[in-house]
Amino acid sequence: GAVVSQHPSWVICKSGTSVKIECRSLDFQATTMFWYRQFPKQSLMLMATSNEGSKATYEQGVEKDKFLINHASLTLSTLTVTSAHPEDSSFYICSARKGIYNEQFFGPGTRLTVL
Amino acid sequence: DQQVKQNSPSLSVQEGRISILNCDYTNSMFDYFLWYKKYPAEGPTFLISISSIKDKNEDGRFTVFLNKSAKHLSLHIVPSQPGDSAVYFCAAAMGVGNEKLTFGTGTRLTIIP
Repeated sequence: GAVVSQHPSWVICKSGTSVKIECRSLDFQATTMFWYRQFPKQSLMLMATSNEGSKATYEQGVEKDKFLINHASLTLSTLTVTSAHPEDSSFYICSARKGIYNEQFFGPGTRLTVL
Repeated sequence: DQQVKQNSPSLSVQEGRISILNCDYTNSMFDYFLWYKKYPAEGPTFLISISSIKDKNEDGRFTVFLNKSAKHLSLHIVPSQPGDSAVYFCAAAMGVGNEKLTFGTGTRLTIIP
């Protein structure tokens, strides 16, 4: 199998607080994990690529100081949204790549609402 | 700049009939394509993929066709079932081993019983 979990599944926080989202590959080791965000009725937009033991690679326009990514082990990557604001409200989805091919296995997503 | 486009935001098909979802791309460097299915509040689920060296790939009820000259691919689902109702995303990559996927905007498929 290839199962990816995310925690929490939804979170509501006040503006200015930080929120941490975990992404775990449950039954395989993922050297590479990806973080996406999706706005309503829009496509998944890649935010960053996370490699175990090294710094994440951020896509153009994504603030690395705002979206902190840590990939501490082969089964866990975390995304921390620092000093969250209402415009950060979105659906955040992680994925993990198994093997050398493009197929990515996605987590169930985390709905973040910043008040 | 949307390099992968799904021009139909929604599609309704009668149960048992064929569903055809279309996807166009602009970047000629893309040579590996994938289709994902997504339910609300869930992550996408991989369905089927195709490399540019092929023009067709089939897996059960799902068939993907690739027309490189037209930069167009399509996903055929036959026969369509109520459980197929979901949002379908096509995605493209540059190379089989390339990590980065570029997603289309999605097509919401509704199967009418």
